[in-house]
Amino acid sequence: AQSVTQPDIHITVSEGASLELRCNYSYGATPYLFWYVQSPGQGLQLLLKYFSGDTLVQGIKGFEAEFKRSQSSFNLRKPSVHWSDAAEYFCAVGGPLSGGYNKLIFGAGTRLAVHP
Amino acid sequence: NAGVTQTPKFRVLKTGQSMTLLCAQDMNHEYMYWYRQDPGMGLRLIHYSVGEGTTAKGEVPDGYNVSRLKKQNFLLGLESAAPSQTSVYFCASSGRASSNTGELFFGEGSRLTVL
Repeated sequence: AQSVTQPDIHITVSEGASLELRCNYSYGATPYLFWYVQSPGQGLQLLLKYFSGDTLVQGIKGFEAEFKRSQSSFNLRKPSVHWSDAAEYFCAVGGPLSGGYNKLIFGAGTRLAVHP
Repeated sequence: NAGVTQTPKFRVLKTGQSMTLLCAQDMNHEYMYWYRQDPGMGLRLIHYSVGEGTTAKGEVPDGYNVSRLKKQNFLLGLESAAPSQTSVYFCASSGRASSNTGELFFGEGSRLTVL
């Protein structure tokens, strides 16, 4: 079965510190992988995506993620966190086994708090 | 510059009442989706549509119905609301041109409470 696991429910970091949010997936084929961000009271916004090619992908707001096939992981990183990064982050997987039409499977989310 | 608009944004229902959530998108997208978001469970797909006049079941379709009479609108209906349907509902859309990119465009959500 296809699934996404985000092991950390809550993470707190200090402003200026580095950040890594974990994502593990289960998928029976080459996956498409995504990170979305949800600010309080808002919908989800795409941060970055991986389809193929370079396993290190760059996204908006200074985020990057690395696809590691051997570990079934797609961890999100940022070298220096800003207070405005406080939000909930969702990892998602899609691809041919999801029936097409962009039917994504989402993880449970990681809520990020940033201390000044 | 509206994107995806959901109405209403908040609603309180009593058990057994019915209601309809409306989603409208102005991006001429082919595909539209309804997700529900519950704490600790992420987003789960309720129903989706791949074009005007078509709908299909997602992961958690029971207790919901949908209709896509116009390309820009996707309605989610609850015929007899239950407390288990208390949730935040998100509508999303994506275009055929992005069918291989997976990017969904989300509305701001509709918070529904069923007493």
